[in-house]
Amino acid sequence: DAGITQSPRYKITETGRQVTLMCHQTWSHSYMFWYRQDLGHGLRLIYYSAAADITDKGEVPDGYVVSRSKTENFPLTLESATRSQTSVYFCASSPNGLETQYFGPGTRLLVL
Amino acid sequence: DQQVKQNSPSLSVQEGRISILNCDYTNSMFDYFLWYKKYPAEGPTFLISISSIKDKNEDGRFTVFLNKSAKHLSLHIVPSQPGDSAVYFCAARIQKLTFGTGTRLTIIP
Repeated sequence: DAGITQSPRYKITETGRQVTLMCHQTWSHSYMFWYRQDLGHGLRLIYYSAAADITDKGEVPDGYVVSRSKTENFPLTLESATRSQTSVYFCASSPNGLETQYFGPGTRLLVL
Repeated sequence: DQQVKQNSPSLSVQEGRISILNCDYTNSMFDYFLWYKKYPAEGPTFLISISSIKDKNEDGRFTVFLNKSAKHLSLHIVPSQPGDSAVYFCAARIQKLTFGTGTRLTIIP
């Protein structure tokens, strides 16, 4: 299917475990983004990527790792999950970073 | 340090009336402003935007107003419809987007 997809949609994990959230887009957009949504904070940028092999930190990068070996994929890894990383995570893409961002459906992560 | 603020967490409006959602920002360097709409269990979807060189942009029932001197942005929806019930986020851009905390709009039939 065309568009932007995220997997899994729901994930429960335990403190200290490594978790990887997947994001895939079929538009060949150059830019991709990871946000987290928390009550009282809105959407906060974790990491973004301007192209394959180019990534940069956003507002709240600590505890997260990203990679972008292919234009269409932008996985987000929590190296050692903490309860404070319980959140809803959204991936987004954009043709050139200045245009509208298109969001995936989100991954709801619970860290016990 | 919230650079983009939506001070009303929720708003209820009668169907057919005008909904006005507000957003304030602190950084005068923002050059582009956007509104996103979000339904439960879905990602945000783009609604309307405005460049900092304009003061108004209209798209059907949706109009965004920008008052740069007051650093204030508003979204007007008229007439409001039940399908407009959602969470609305404003966002402002300097290279990257900074989002507000969102306002939950409920349209009462």
